[in-house]
Amino acid sequence: DTAVSQTPKYLVTQMGNDKSIKCEQNLGHDTMYWYKQDSKKFLKIMFSYNNKELIINETVPNRFSPKSPDKAHLNLHINSLELGDSAVYFCASSQDRGGSYTFGSGTRLTVV
Amino acid sequence: GESVGLHLPTLSVQEGDNSIINCAYSNSASDYFIWYKQESGKGPQFIIDIRSNMDKRQGQRVTVLLNKTVKHLSLQIAATQPGDSAVYFCAELNYGGSQGNLIFGKGTKLSVKP
Repeated sequence: DTAVSQTPKYLVTQMGNDKSIKCEQNLGHDTMYWYKQDSKKFLKIMFSYNNKELIINETVPNRFSPKSPDKAHLNLHINSLELGDSAVYFCASSQDRGGSYTFGSGTRLTVV
Repeated sequence: GESVGLHLPTLSVQEGDNSIINCAYSNSASDYFIWYKQESGKGPQFIIDIRSNMDKRQGQRVTVLLNKTVKHLSLQIAATQPGDSAVYFCAELNYGGSQGNLIFGKGTKLSVKP
């Protein structure tokens, strides 16, 4: 079983569209995250979320919104997609904020 | 600002040699450090971690060294194999930080020549 799974693996869409990326973890972890990896491989935190608290990186545009239907899922919704949103997005989870993170395999988003 | 950086963006080694990947961090309050390996088309994979109250930790073929005096972290890979070819990231965590999230460095690409 995949510990942290993301869908889709690839997503190609036009500017202005709204899209969602789904993430599920079966590790029983309390906290989930979204990271963005740019073309230079730099990984940057976007959100962290547990059942008590959502922490948003202030540099993330409000077009991006995380949605968590339950503790095992943290989906990423993006409105009005822009060319600069093209990147690989990684979901991750950890038992608590102080432990190591387990990452999904990534979703490559291409905005055309 | 807080940042985690790497001295070398690329490293090429001969199969069987030892590899050393270096990382400098600027936040002296960081409590926890992790090395991740990312292969092409995959997510970062945990390799080894170390807490700030230690200066060395060993795993299978890997060793992490932490020098808090100069804020330096290194990953040593013994007898490097072709399967070790990947991008390696160091990451730091400050338990008491405002966000408490894992902050990643820029990555070093390791290429192993057969």
